[in-house]
Amino acid sequence: EAGVAQSPRYKIIEKRQSVAFWCNPISGHATLYWYQQILGQGPKLLIQFQNNGVVDDSQLPKDRFSAERLKGVDSTLKIQPAKLEDSAVYLCASSAIRGGETQYFGPGTRLLVL
Amino acid sequence: AQKVTQAQTEISVVEKEDVTLDCVYETRDTTYYLFWYKQPPSGELVFLIRRNSFDEQNEISGRYSWNFQKSTSSFNFTITASQVVDSAVYFCALRGGTYKYIFGTGTRLKVLA
Repeated sequence: EAGVAQSPRYKIIEKRQSVAFWCNPISGHATLYWYQQILGQGPKLLIQFQNNGVVDDSQLPKDRFSAERLKGVDSTLKIQPAKLEDSAVYLCASSAIRGGETQYFGPGTRLLVL
Repeated sequence: AQKVTQAQTEISVVEKEDVTLDCVYETRDTTYYLFWYKQPPSGELVFLIRRNSFDEQNEISGRYSWNFQKSTSSFNFTITASQVVDSAVYFCALRGGTYKYIFGTGTRLKVLA
């Protein structure tokens, strides 16, 4: 079974530019999560989707971050415009159902904002 | 509010030593789940174990074991006879009734040959 796929793996941009990350969850997983992991910290949930609906986006900085999961499968996370403090690893995870099901993580996208 | 505390920032042990990673959690929910993940230098978070709040049985998987105690709100992780390949950052996580996952700050384990 294929795992969670993410691209790109690395991205370097200048502040005020925009960037987009893509995630394809494990086949059949209804729930998809985006996390931000700043160096030396634990992952912080940005947004959680159940199929193509948003379950929780309370920690998403909506003035610059947006995410969508239009067909209930893959998802895109966008930052526009980027700030220096957005430098982090962006992790995508999926689980079979909402709730206590285990999340499986992708390899992450390392973003550096200069 | 939910919270996960991993007080040990970094631990260094010599190969073959046993090591315990501590995790203390806070939640008002009666139903919740606890997880441990391993993050090797490659960066991908690898699932290790999940426990629900109604199952306090300790679990052993090879050299890994977990001690879940609701009375002290702890879910500690022990590696027996540590190996260099165990070197990684280990995260404890909590998912409560709001379905939001909260991660601790992680414990970096260094196993020296």
